[in-house]
Amino acid sequence: AQKITQTQPGMFVQEKEAVTLDCTYDTSDQSYGLFWYKQPSSGEMIFLIYQGSYDEQNATEGRYSLNFQKARKSANLVISASQLGDSAMYFCAMTQRGSNYKLTFGKGTLLTVNP
Amino acid sequence: EADIYQTPRYLVIGTGKKITLECSQTMGHDKMYWYQQDPGMELHLIHYSYGVNSTEKGDLSSESTVSRIRTEHFPLTLESARPSHTSQYLCASSVRRSTDTQYFGPGTRLTVL
Repeated sequence: AQKITQTQPGMFVQEKEAVTLDCTYDTSDQSYGLFWYKQPSSGEMIFLIYQGSYDEQNATEGRYSLNFQKARKSANLVISASQLGDSAMYFCAMTQRGSNYKLTFGKGTLLTVNP
Repeated sequence: EADIYQTPRYLVIGTGKKITLECSQTMGHDKMYWYQQDPGMELHLIHYSYGVNSTEKGDLSSESTVSRIRTEHFPLTLESARPSHTSQYLCASSVRRSTDTQYFGPGTRLTVL
């Protein structure tokens, strides 16, 4: 069974600073994908970034980067130069071939960006 | 960017009513999904479909039912709503590519009185 753990229920960061949101995962499958989604208070889920288990380089998308440490089974999200609009819930999620690519979500981290 | 739509966005109804939550996508994605999410909690998969006339139950047991008669349309129905069904329902779709990224609709916030 696959499992996603996000140990930070809430995080605070000052505007323009960088922040790291933690995510660890557990799977016995060799082929899997890791995702981060952002959920503002309005409720929609916004896809941010993806990392494949066979990707050797860390994924980056604008101000978002994924710090992928395969041996530690961690996939932390780094947001650089935080903006007020980054305040939201952030969910780490995983798919694996053995589960037909169904997404399993962590419990989320509520990020608050202070001015 | 993904084009996936859900209606209604908000719904308040009384116990015992039959409701249908609509979800449609214009991207021709084969796979579609329904998730249930209580406030401040993680998402749980309740139904999914890998194509027309294909539907499966997800990891979380749900009294709702779904149908997939057309590729672009994946409605969810509750025959008799109860207060325990109060939640947010999110629809998503994806295409079988290397990443299989799921794109979500805006969600429906359902309140059953």
